[in-house]
Amino acid sequence: NAGVMQNPRHLVRRRGQEARLRCSPMKGHSHVYWYRQLPEEGLKFMVYLQKENIIDESGMPKERFSAEFPKEGPSILRIQQVVRGDSAAYFCASSLQTGGTYEQYFGPGTRLTVT
Amino acid sequence: DQQVKQNSPSLSVQEGRISILNCDYTNSMFDYFLWYKKYPAEGPTFLISISSIKDKNEDGRFTVFLNKSAKHLSLHIVPSQPGDSAVYFCAASESGANSKLTFGKGITLSVRP
Repeated sequence: NAGVMQNPRHLVRRRGQEARLRCSPMKGHSHVYWYRQLPEEGLKFMVYLQKENIIDESGMPKERFSAEFPKEGPSILRIQQVVRGDSAAYFCASSLQTGGTYEQYFGPGTRLTVT
Repeated sequence: DQQVKQNSPSLSVQEGRISILNCDYTNSMFDYFLWYKKYPAEGPTFLISISSIKDKNEDGRFTVFLNKSAKHLSLHIVPSQPGDSAVYFCAASESGANSKLTFGKGITLSVRP
């Protein structure tokens, strides 16, 4: 009964490098959300995906950030040319969204540090 | 613009007593509300939710109350236990839309033995 899985748990990148964060949703869940948490802040929505589709990317920065959820494999959040301000905890959540319930279940997060 | 507000950053209660965590929202389109608990270096854990068609939902020691006219909800934990010490986030969504969650900044609850 695996929950939402994220890897890596910790990622260190130098400025200008690329960061790839992976998320495998709970079994049977086809809706994936990515959130970012800056220090002393709540979680901020970034993007919502279903298999092979981006449903809502209104929270994604306009440049350098992209996300995908392919037919096979995990969802990927990609940050190109990272800057120090990208240092944060990135959380993935998944949900069923059936029967009027909208609970999202979160993974343990990936802590990105940009040096 | 903070649409979900948790104005008290911290709360300390004695073990066995009631913990009351408050949350206010400004967006009248929100109709589904959730509480999450978070330990350091872990992801948020879903606790309890409530739809706007209800004013109360109870699950064991946890009860959430919703006052739509005041745009206010609260989480009651009775009795409080030391293991409840964590950060609690209030979140809201529009069920008819894509259900993205809007979070408050969280309240740090400390339960003293």
